[in-house]
This record gives sequence, structure tokens and C-alpha cells, in this order.
Amino acid sequence: GENVEQHPSTLSVQEGDSAVIKCTYSDSASNYFPWYKQELGKGPQLIIDIRSNVGEKKDQRIAVTLNKTAKHFSLHITETQPEDSAVYFCAASKGDSNYQLIWGAGTKLIIKP
Amino acid sequence: SAVISQKPSRDICQRGTSLTIQCQVDSQVTMMFWYRQQPGQSLTLIATANQGSEATYESGFVIDKFPISRPNLTFSTLTVSNMSPEDSSIYLCSAGGVKVGVADTQYFGPGTRLTVL
Repeated sequence: GENVEQHPSTLSVQEGDSAVIKCTYSDSASNYFPWYKQELGKGPQLIIDIRSNVGEKKDQRIAVTLNKTAKHFSLHITETQPEDSAVYFCAASKGDSNYQLIWGAGTKLIIKP
Repeated sequence: SAVISQKPSRDICQRGTSLTIQCQVDSQVTMMFWYRQQPGQSLTLIATANQGSEATYESGFVIDKFPISRPNLTFSTLTVSNMSPEDSSIYLCSAGGVKVGVADTQYFGPGTRLTVL
């Protein structure tokens, strides 16, 4: 069936370094790929998203890249800060729907001071 | 975007009882959803709350256990019925479709942390 694999499950980086989280999806019809950040005790918050007609999107220290041929997309965080510590989830749409999402398992990002 | 609130934020309940969780959106939205999230796990979609009609449930979830209402475009409730300790989880409400005809994304509420004893 459709699935999204997310790696690594835990990522520990030094403050100021970059962090990269990778996801692979199986549904070739997926065309929408959001990333969510979930802090402890809170609901997921959308931080960036990308659609299949774009290969890369950047918002300040956060960027997402998409390779449709290989069916993978990645989240890049540069100049990491303590407030970046959280669990990050990737997701891929089921076909055309922006709202029917297949979720990755999550990555716990730890920023070491 | 949409701002979503949930009530209660947390509760501790006895087995066999039921709890109704409320979700309020600050603007009219076309789509509302209910998720369950076990501690340390990813999100699992329970159902899509349809305005004016029965909710659409995902495999493994049934209306008798998780009845859902959506009386208008800004409000929905999820009831967890006849609870057992296995129902202990975080329940999340999400919404999307802030502007009709514009494909956007899902916005999440803060969650309801349920513990069943």
C-alpha cells in the first residue's frame, strides 16, 4: 500500500550546524508534500510545503527539496537553534488531494548547545 | 491560515465512560478531520468530519466507537465511547480549505490528551 518512509528517527546536531531529514514516498500520484513541526505538548504546525511542479522551496533557514523521479523529498534546516528542537513529520498527499495525507513516522531533532 | 482550539485540553476518565471533544475553528473551513496520536508515534486519521452528513471513517475506526458531529463550517465534536485504557492517546482536530476553491493545507489544534484508567 501507500507509505512514506522517514529517516532518521532521531537526529542530534550541534547548535549552528545544519540538519537534514529525508522522506521517500510510494504513490507516484502524490503531488503535495508538507512538513510539520510538533513541539512537546502541542499540535503539529506546518513549517513549509512543496508541490510537485517545484523542485525546491526556501523560507529563511528552512528549505525543502523534491525529486519526483526518485520519489523523495528532504527538509533542510541551516544554522540550527535550540528552538528547532522538536519532532518533525513529513507527509505526502494521496493523489491530488491536499487533505488526504500519508504521514511519515517522525524525526526527533535534538539541538545540542 | 486557521486557528483551531480544542476542549478539553486533557482529561482522565474511567473505563466504560464516554468523552466528547470539541473543536472550534476561527473561520469557515470546508474540511475538518480527527486524528489519534499515540505517545511518540505518528498521526493516524480517524475520520473526515462532513458538514451536514455522516463522517467518513478510516479502516479500523467505526461510528459506534467514535461518533462525530459537524453541525456547521466552524465546529466539530468527536466522542470516544465506552472507553478502555487502549483509548489513552492524544486526539487532534485539523481543518483545511479556508478559502473555498483554493487548495491549501491542514492546520492542527493543540490536541486533547486523554488518559483512561
